[in-house]
Amino acid sequence: QSVLTQPPSASGTPGQRVIISCSGGSSNIGRNYAFWYQQLPGTAPKLLIHRNAQRPSGVPDRFSGSQSGISASLAISGLRSEDEADYYCAAWDDSLSGVIFGGGTKLTVL
Amino acid sequence: EVQLVQSGAEVKRPGESLKISCQGSGYNFVTYWIGWVRQMPGKGLEWMGIIYPGDSDTRYNPSFHGQVTISADKSISTSYLQWSSLRASDTAIYYCARPNVQYNWNDGAAFDIWGQGTVLTVSS
Repeated sequence: QSVLTQPPSASGTPGQRVIISCSGGSSNIGRNYAFWYQQLPGTAPKLLIHRNAQRPSGVPDRFSGSQSGISASLAISGLRSEDEADYYCAAWDDSLSGVIFGGGTKLTVL
Repeated sequence: EVQLVQSGAEVKRPGESLKISCQGSGYNFVTYWIGWVRQMPGKGLEWMGIIYPGDSDTRYNPSFHGQVTISADKSISTSYLQWSSLRASDTAIYYCARPNVQYNWNDGAAFDIWGQGTVLTVSS
């Protein structure tokens, strides 16, 4: 079972803005950084956002992250068909002394 | 190019042992932790554990402690994940991954380099 809670699915039409939420607790997002990963079908995960809102080199600025309290969010603007993927939030958990992942959100581009 | 290359797909019987590998290249292997992540069929990601090849300091997710062994051979820039007795429930894709910061495994370290994954099927 995941300690980080994400909606199982999300959808949008091309060009729209979609927000995916991630709810955690005081031992993880509440006091540590959140991360976001994108997993395209049949491929390894890819880091999209680290330290709540930082984008690694090469990640388009259509992707943005934020954190408030025990929750984090990933926003995707100007939605494209190639954004159709599974998105996972993650965070360091002090109780685990390791990283925990959310259950994942399947994004469908209609 | 920084990359992690994993060993190929495996099909095993319950009770058999297995060791899969992850070889790093294009960076100083001994100064970055290497983690292992499980993805069961149709499910999400789970952090299993991590090792620092420089001194073999190893940390496990309690859910996996005692179920698997993580090791590394820094002379060949390779980390391993092994089972002594496989179960059908071990069927999954296993990824190795490297954090984006040297030396440290803590808050702020995100997995930015991933192997291609090793598909393990355990079936009688």
